[in-house]
Amino acid sequence: GEDVEQSLFLSVREGDSSVINCTYTDSSSTYLYWYKQEPGAGLQLLTYIFSNMDMKQDQRLTVLLNKKDKHLSLRIADTQTGDSAIYFCAELRGSSASKIIFGSGTRLSIRP
Amino acid sequence: DTEVTQTPKHLVMGMTNKKSLKCEQHMGHRAMYWYKQKAKKPPELMFVYSYEKLSINESVPSRFSPECPNSSLLNLHLHALQPEDSALYLCASSQDFAASSYEQYFGPGTRLTVT
Repeated sequence: GEDVEQSLFLSVREGDSSVINCTYTDSSSTYLYWYKQEPGAGLQLLTYIFSNMDMKQDQRLTVLLNKKDKHLSLRIADTQTGDSAIYFCAELRGSSASKIIFGSGTRLSIRP
Repeated sequence: DTEVTQTPKHLVMGMTNKKSLKCEQHMGHRAMYWYKQKAKKPPELMFVYSYEKLSINESVPSRFSPECPNSSLLNLHLHALQPEDSALYLCASSQDFAASSYEQYFGPGTRLTVT
């Protein structure tokens, strides 16, 4: 289909790892992104991965890309209360007229 | 500095009003974007400016009129809006519009309510 798909909710215990999954649609997408949106705020670019990579690590964040299955995941190690937010997966479609297409967002909640 | 600023933060307007949203960045970015985000939904692209020229209009109604007076500023002029236009309006910028340099930085948004 046309949509970038994510599960709507994820609840994890503080200190555990969070894994947010995403399925994108365009196998020719060059960049894939993870954005974080806190309540009432704009979107913060957390990290992105180029399509010729299969993993990228940045401090507590690990992005895994399975290009064959068009599957992207974001792992947050040692999840903290400040990680509570909506996480959007996004893909860059097109070449000459590039557009970022966002998934529906996954709301991450942290329980004590 | 990776900041995109937007004013106002909140705006309430009637259906007969004319108002403008403003966006500013000083990162030297040459591509700027307007997105609309309804509650519990992802952002949807409205317009893209590249080197101060309109590159993409995603079939947005004419009651929304974008303007890019210079490379640092992006405006969205609003006129005769409908209540269903109430949303968070996000501005973003990126170095340019080429796929090879495509980190988009977002502003905090303007929350618009049309009464």
